[in-house]
Amino acid sequence: AQKVTQAQTEISVVEKEDVTLDCVYETRDTTYYLFWYKQPPSGELVFLIRRNSFDEQNEISGRYSWNFQKSTSSFNFTITASQVVDSAVYFCALSERGDQAGTALIFGKGTTLSVSS
Amino acid sequence: DTGVSQDPRHKITKRGQNVTFRCDPISEHNRLYWYRQTLGQGPEFLTYFQNEAQLEKSRLLSDRFSAERPKGSFSTLEIQRTEQGDSAMYLCASTQYRQRTDTQYFGPGTRLTVL
Repeated sequence: AQKVTQAQTEISVVEKEDVTLDCVYETRDTTYYLFWYKQPPSGELVFLIRRNSFDEQNEISGRYSWNFQKSTSSFNFTITASQVVDSAVYFCALSERGDQAGTALIFGKGTTLSVSS
Repeated sequence: DTGVSQDPRHKITKRGQNVTFRCDPISEHNRLYWYRQTLGQGPEFLTYFQNEAQLEKSRLLSDRFSAERPKGSFSTLEIQRTEQGDSAMYLCASTQYRQRTDTQYFGPGTRLTVL
């Protein structure tokens, strides 16, 4: 069965520190997509990145970077030089792409990041 | 493009009452999803539509829940005879589904409180 585990419930850092959010997933499918979403206090889920299972190239986008490793079923997210505005709940999510394409996202429980000044 | 919109943003009701929520997806998005999020948890899938057809329903969607997307545009989610356990954030997402591509964009949610 699909499962996403975000072991870190809460993380607190001081501005300008780097922080890594962990995500471990389980799936029986060979084709799947992984996502990170951010949920600020306003409540709206904001899409950050999508990765497919056949593309293990890691990516850097500004202060954000992602580390996808199929061997360990992990899809970790790093914020470099964190800012107060990064404070939010971050969700990792999985979507399988088998014969029943278009299935729902399976979310982890989220990691609450608090960045203080 | 305007984003996904949901109405109302907040709803307080008494146990036993019926409530209806509306979701307007991003224009021309053919897939629309409903999720429920309780405090401290990630969103959980309820149901989704491709155009006007409801293609999948979660076991979380009890008989008291019904969803429609009559013209393949906006969707409504109705909860009949609300219970306190229905208190949650109800999220709507939409996507323009193409083969092997499916990023869901979420609305701001409707927060339901059942007294």
